[in-house]
Amino acid sequence: DIQMTQSPSTLSASVGDRVTITCRASQSISSWLAWYQHKPGKAPKLLIYLASNLQSGVPSRFSGSGSGTEFTLTISSLQPDDFASYFCHQYNSYPFTFGPGTKVGIK
Amino acid sequence: QVQLVQSGAEVKKPGSSVKVSCKASGGTFSTYIINWMRQAPGQGFEWMGRLIPYSGLVNYTQKFQGRVTITADKSTSTAYMELRSLRSEDTALYYCARGRAADDFDYWGQGTLVTVSS
Repeated sequence: DIQMTQSPSTLSASVGDRVTITCRASQSISSWLAWYQHKPGKAPKLLIYLASNLQSGVPSRFSGSGSGTEFTLTISSLQPDDFASYFCHQYNSYPFTFGPGTKVGIK
Repeated sequence: QVQLVQSGAEVKKPGSSVKVSCKASGGTFSTYIINWMRQAPGQGFEWMGRLIPYSGLVNYTQKFQGRVTITADKSTSTAYMELRSLRSEDTALYYCARGRAADDFDYWGQGTLVTVSS
């Protein structure tokens, strides 16, 4: 199975900050990576697919980059609604696997 | 607008089974790819398997093979995930999600808490 890791596991930031989260795969997954936002008690929300494509309706402050084994999710200017957990998902091969998540909290 | 609404929380005894439902609205259910995941307390998401209702094709991850069954009722646009021989380690939030052709997940259910306790 492909192992996914994320860093950091938690971060504290202020409104307006630029935030970067990294996701690494244990082997190449090309660009078969998605990023999701998850708030407690809610359904996860797709933000980025194919590593760098913004899902329809997602604010442009979210962006994704990378290929192969290293990927980043960037929030250019953190907004109050962005305090949540974020996780990556590889769909290059079965079984699909997920990163452990990064919790973005208020500084 | 696609919505996936899951059934309510369950408390089960070790050794028993649980069946979680995921009712879809919006879109054409038979063309969906329904995936099931779970998230144990303090852990990341774990993919369990998927079903394409149109074809009936099912894939399960090896870890759950033989213990999980994913089905769908096209007449009610509802997918089901049944997990058998429950143990305490199966305590988790269980989620359904619609997969797209490329296998990313564009819509998720709200999650169903399954607690396994004697």
